[in-house]
Amino acid sequence: GNSVTQMEGPVTLSEEAFLTINCTYTATGYPSLFWYVQYPGEGLQLLLKATKADDKGSNKGFEATYRKETTSFHLEKGSVQVSDSAVYFCAAGGSGNTGKLIFGQGTTLQVKP
Amino acid sequence: SAVISQKPSRDICQRGTSLTIQCQVDSQVTMMFWYRQQPGQSLTLIATANQGSEATYESGFVIDKFPISRPNLTFSTLTVSNMSPEDSSIYLCSVVVAGRRTGELFFGEGSRLTVL
Repeated sequence: GNSVTQMEGPVTLSEEAFLTINCTYTATGYPSLFWYVQYPGEGLQLLLKATKADDKGSNKGFEATYRKETTSFHLEKGSVQVSDSAVYFCAAGGSGNTGKLIFGQGTTLQVKP
Repeated sequence: SAVISQKPSRDICQRGTSLTIQCQVDSQVTMMFWYRQQPGQSLTLIATANQGSEATYESGFVIDKFPISRPNLTFSTLTVSNMSPEDSSIYLCSVVVAGRRTGELFFGEGSRLTVL
């Protein structure tokens, strides 16, 4: 079945630093890919998505490009803010059109002023 | 989008007891799922809640331990039976909203259970 691997955290950055959180997947076919974010004390929210190869998802200054050659969907942001401190989850659609998602283990980001 | 309400938001339970979590959605949904997020870990899919029929469980999860009901399109319950401390987790209801691309899930805020 499909699987998702994220870089381990926690990641600690200073404000305005560049952020990359790596995510790779294994899958049959070309699943839709997602980044979800969980702010402290809140539920998961969809941050961005890409549904086919070479698509770029973007939202709130975050970007991720669906790379089928490297089976990756790395999350980037050019200048992080303290308010970006959260746990970030990469996810891939499960096998078939079932609506299920397979999640990575999550990466905690802490941004210091 | 969808507003998903889960009850209870948190509870402290005694070993051996059972607790039922409710999930109510304010939109028409096509699919409903229950996930578990153990402390410091990622989300694991427990089951797909099927309207009017038995849920579809993932490997490692069984109906006797996690009975699920979904009497209509917008409401589901998950029961955690005969709880042990290992069941201490956040349980999350998630949905695919009708008309939205499959795979884009909306989540409730979760029900945080602590089993003593």
